[in-house]
Amino acid sequence: NAGVTQTPKFQVLKTGQSMTLQCAQDMNHEYMSWYRQDPGMGLRLIHYSVGAGITDQGEVPNGYNVSRSTTEDFPLRLLSAAPSQTSVYFCASRGGVPPYEQYFGPGTRLTVT
Amino acid sequence: EDKVVQSPLSLVVHEGDTVTLNCSYEVTNFRSLLWYKQEKKAPTFLFMLTSSGIEKKSGRLSSILDKKELFSILNITATQTGDSAIYLCAGPMEYGNKLVFGAGTILRVKS
Repeated sequence: NAGVTQTPKFQVLKTGQSMTLQCAQDMNHEYMSWYRQDPGMGLRLIHYSVGAGITDQGEVPNGYNVSRSTTEDFPLRLLSAAPSQTSVYFCASRGGVPPYEQYFGPGTRLTVT
Repeated sequence: EDKVVQSPLSLVVHEGDTVTLNCSYEVTNFRSLLWYKQEKKAPTFLFMLTSSGIEKKSGRLSSILDKKELFSILNITATQTGDSAIYLCAGPMEYGNKLVFGAGTILRVKS
């Protein structure tokens, strides 16, 4: 099993550009999430999904869109990149039964100049 | 508003010391509390705690939950340089995936 995969690992964008961060999992997990991690802020939830076709906003959703057309994939779209979106982004998934452990992808380090 | 608060924010110890990391929480629909260790990349799971007073143990790491006082501690005994990491605690708030993370404790173990 590959677990949770994310691409790209690194990305540099100019202000105003758009891009999609890819996330896929092969564990047939219902729940998937996107977090961003900034120094001293822990992990903050951007968007999450409880199944294909169902998404909802997390703590910091502004500037990001998601969709969940399949169980496996959960892409995160930056509509118009801003320097405040410079961060490390993690995708995570988990199944619907205890222990509710989240499996994290390796992360994408995004810099917006 | 649901929140998870960790303390201290950072800690420097010497190899062999014992450390205690704290996590307090306020969540409306508490289900469980999770501890993660994050080194250079993604967080890796350590423990999930659902019941008060029952210690979870893995090697030199142990953790316990107090649901009455709304906190958890993570103990690391005989610390090693490989324990240097960010330790995160998180609480799922409701059925679904809305994990709330604390800001983390940065632990540095000096040799």
